[in-house]
Amino acid sequence: EIFLTQSPGTLALSPGDRATLSCSASQPLTIYLAWFQQKRGQPPKLLIYGVSTRAPGIPDRFSGSGSGTDFNLTIDRLEPDDFAMYHCLQYGISPRTFGQGTTLEIK
Amino acid sequence: QITLKESGPALVKPTATLKLTCTLSGVSLTTTGVGVGWIRQPPGKALEFVALIYWDDDERYGPSLESRVAITKDTSRNEVVLTMTNMNPVDTATYFCTHINVVTSLPFDVWGQGMLVTVSS
Repeated sequence: EIFLTQSPGTLALSPGDRATLSCSASQPLTIYLAWFQQKRGQPPKLLIYGVSTRAPGIPDRFSGSGSGTDFNLTIDRLEPDDFAMYHCLQYGISPRTFGQGTTLEIK
Repeated sequence: QITLKESGPALVKPTATLKLTCTLSGVSLTTTGVGVGWIRQPPGKALEFVALIYWDDDERYGPSLESRVAITKDTSRNEVVLTMTNMNPVDTATYFCTHINVVTSLPFDVWGQGMLVTVSS
């Protein structure tokens, strides 16, 4: 089983800032790494898949990068609606596993 | 437009068996590449992969739950059923069903609203 560690646990920033969220895997991954955004009381929403491909309808302020065991989600020009929880998922090796999440909160 | 909707009991007693149903609309469970999975999230905690079933009947399970969980599909109703035995208060969580398509490579691109299941006597 592959373990994913997300950091930081909580990130406090202001609207207009750039956010960088990290996801570290316990063993090298291929391209099957995804990011989700989850707001309180709602299901997760797919943002990025295949490490760096934006899901349909996702603005280009959201970008994914990385390789091997280290991956990042970058959100440029934070908007009030971006403050939420973010999860990474590896789906290349069974069983699929999620990170523990990063909460992005307003400073 | 693909939609998923979870249904089942909101409250179950310890040691009982949980049965949740996910009804899929907008795509058939017999379509090549389609899969439906169950993901759960205890209050305030991380997402956990529970189980997944594909159009070709391939099944996948999360290792910590594999001995207690079964996933099946009814193609005539376009439904996926999750069964979990010997429920425990630590199984209290929101259970989401979610769509995956291996042809488009989009993982869990559509989710149901989720259903909170509480385990308590």
